[in-house]
Amino acid sequence: QQQVKQSPQSLIVQKGGISIINCAYENTAFDYFPWYQQFPGKGPALLIAIRPDVSEKKEGRFTISFNKSAKQFSLHIMDSQPGDSATYFCAASMSTGFQKLVFGTGTRLLVSP
Amino acid sequence: DTAVSQTPKYLVTQMGNDKSIKCEQNLGHDTMYWYKQDSKKFLKIMFSYNNKELIINETVPNRFSPKSPDKAHLNLHINSLELGDSAVYFCASSHWAGGGTGELFFGEGSRLTVL
Repeated sequence: QQQVKQSPQSLIVQKGGISIINCAYENTAFDYFPWYQQFPGKGPALLIAIRPDVSEKKEGRFTISFNKSAKQFSLHIMDSQPGDSATYFCAASMSTGFQKLVFGTGTRLLVSP
Repeated sequence: DTAVSQTPKYLVTQMGNDKSIKCEQNLGHDTMYWYKQDSKKFLKIMFSYNNKELIINETVPNRFSPKSPDKAHLNLHINSLELGDSAVYFCASSHWAGGGTGELFFGEGSRLTVL
């Protein structure tokens, strides 16, 4: 129930294309869904986050789509660039009590020039 | 100025040894964490401290002992190192924003290799 399933494990996209990474969760008490981006040799950093009261959130070329009934959310990277090549983690948590952020298994994205 | 800094960046040691990793944050955050990232990139929380108090303690062998001398520091001591302890250990910090919703700021990681 605490798991967040992420797919695909790896993804190769051409420059200018759309990268799509999907995540699914089971715990309906989750109400906070961030995405973290990790470059090689660095720690993860928050990219964008969404709460379940909206179905979509956009920040520049990055969009989270959220489907509460399906318990799924996804990250779309429009006009993907080589500089977007990194590992992306979805995550989920609850906003009450002492809760941990549960991370997905990660997706290695490579954007080819 | 580095926000979350951890030292050392690399540790190479023999099985059975004891090692420590130090972490400091200058962001004024009240919550700090240790995460373990294995060779497959899985990120797993180990411990979390809020205002120097342990609030999350995942199923981690008791060979791992965190210590938070103050809100800005969280150290990790590992006794009797095993091959399976080889991983990258990340320190992180956040403001307490309710549950697990505070933005996490990660250090650059400490790569531990046990031979």
